[in-house]
Amino acid sequence: EPEVTQTPSHQVTQMGQEVILRCVPISNHLYFYWYRQILGQKVEFLVSFYNNEISEKSEIFDDQFSVERPDGSNFTLKIRSTKLEDSAMYFCASSDRPEPQHFGDGTRLSIL
Amino acid sequence: KNEVEQSPQNLTAQEGEFITINCSYSVGISALHWLQQHPGGGIVSLFMLSSGKKKHGRLIATINIQEKHSSLHITASHPRDSAVYICAVVIIGGSQGNLIFGKGTKLSVKP
Repeated sequence: EPEVTQTPSHQVTQMGQEVILRCVPISNHLYFYWYRQILGQKVEFLVSFYNNEISEKSEIFDDQFSVERPDGSNFTLKIRSTKLEDSAMYFCASSDRPEPQHFGDGTRLSIL
Repeated sequence: KNEVEQSPQNLTAQEGEFITINCSYSVGISALHWLQQHPGGGIVSLFMLSSGKKKHGRLIATINIQEKHSSLHITASHPRDSAVYICAVVIIGGSQGNLIFGKGTKLSVKP
């Protein structure tokens, strides 16, 4: 069964550094999403992406964050100048319809 | 404020038991999702429903829009069902991907 793949599984970064989280969605999917889960807290929506542009973003998704599809297959989340509070599990999801269907296993981001 | 409340927070069951996890929400919604989060952290979508009832294998999800309540049932539970079960809603007028998540119910099924 096709799946959403996220790399790396664990990323450790110094505070203030830029980090790029990568996702390979299922190949025929058109809708993409990023969510995050701070340890011990509930999952939160970050951003949805369709037709090569952001369709909706949450208050969390400020100027520090950006998303893109650099090569038509990967879907990336970039966090500029990371902060300690960016430490979380980040989930990518993709779908062939407007609601998220398939989630990746997540990237655990640790900011030191 | 918590727009999505789940109960119980933790649930321990013996293998074979019938399990019910509840989700209540305080806002008008267009859809509700049930998700399963594995011990390793990965998330699997189980159901999306906007009315009535859906069944997949041993899992059944129901929703009562008037009462703002949904339940996830697991029949003949098995240790491999051990996971965190998360309810998430789409607020009316919101985009389908902008889910409001509950805190999850941690289920442990003992052999």
